[in-house]
Amino acid sequence: EAQVTQNPRYLITVTGKKLTVTCSQNMNHEYMSWYRQDPGLGLRQIYYSMNVEVTDKGDVPEGYKVSRKEKRNFPLILESPSPNQTSLYFCASKGRVHEQFFGPGTRLTVL
Amino acid sequence: AQSVTQPDIHITVSEGASLELRCNYSYGATPYLFWYVQSPGQGLQLLLKYFSGDTLVQGIKGFEAEFKRSQSSFNLRKPSVHWSDAAEYFCAVVGVNDYKLSFGAGTTVTVRA
Repeated sequence: EAQVTQNPRYLITVTGKKLTVTCSQNMNHEYMSWYRQDPGLGLRQIYYSMNVEVTDKGDVPEGYKVSRKEKRNFPLILESPSPNQTSLYFCASKGRVHEQFFGPGTRLTVL
Repeated sequence: AQSVTQPDIHITVSEGASLELRCNYSYGATPYLFWYVQSPGQGLQLLLKYFSGDTLVQGIKGFEAEFKRSQSSFNLRKPSVHWSDAAEYFCAVVGVNDYKLSFGAGTTVTVRA
């Protein structure tokens, strides 16, 4: 089944404790991206990757890092999480057609 | 820069009644347009998309949307809502030669019995 998977689905952590949210897709897509969803703001893009080893900032990149060493994986890294990064995070991938496939989401709470 | 406006934050509709959700976009040319639905606690599911051609687009779950270039709108409709349609709905756009998907703030739909 074609899908985007994210782990973990739920995470509660404390300020300053580094964490990684994994994202993997099995559709051989070149393009992947991360979004955060906040009430009243919709989804905003954090980072995106056009292909392996090529990443760039989206609209809200501060406090986040990404890496793209393999086509299928695009982890999101929070080196020093803060409470304002409490949010619902979605990973997405896109093939040649302009349709993005979204993962199930990761709900992150930073205390 | 492209932007998407969903004027209605929250809509309440009776089961069996019709539903229309508004979406307006700002973009230099005709973008690709999408509607996504997010049920409580779930991820995003694509309802329908418009790339070109017929301006009335049919989607899943009985939804349709109409692209109106003159009004820069892409409103979503359903003739008769079901209780399971209670969810948050997002309109999104992407430029023809772009990759970045821009979302509206979302409209929450409540269905009353």
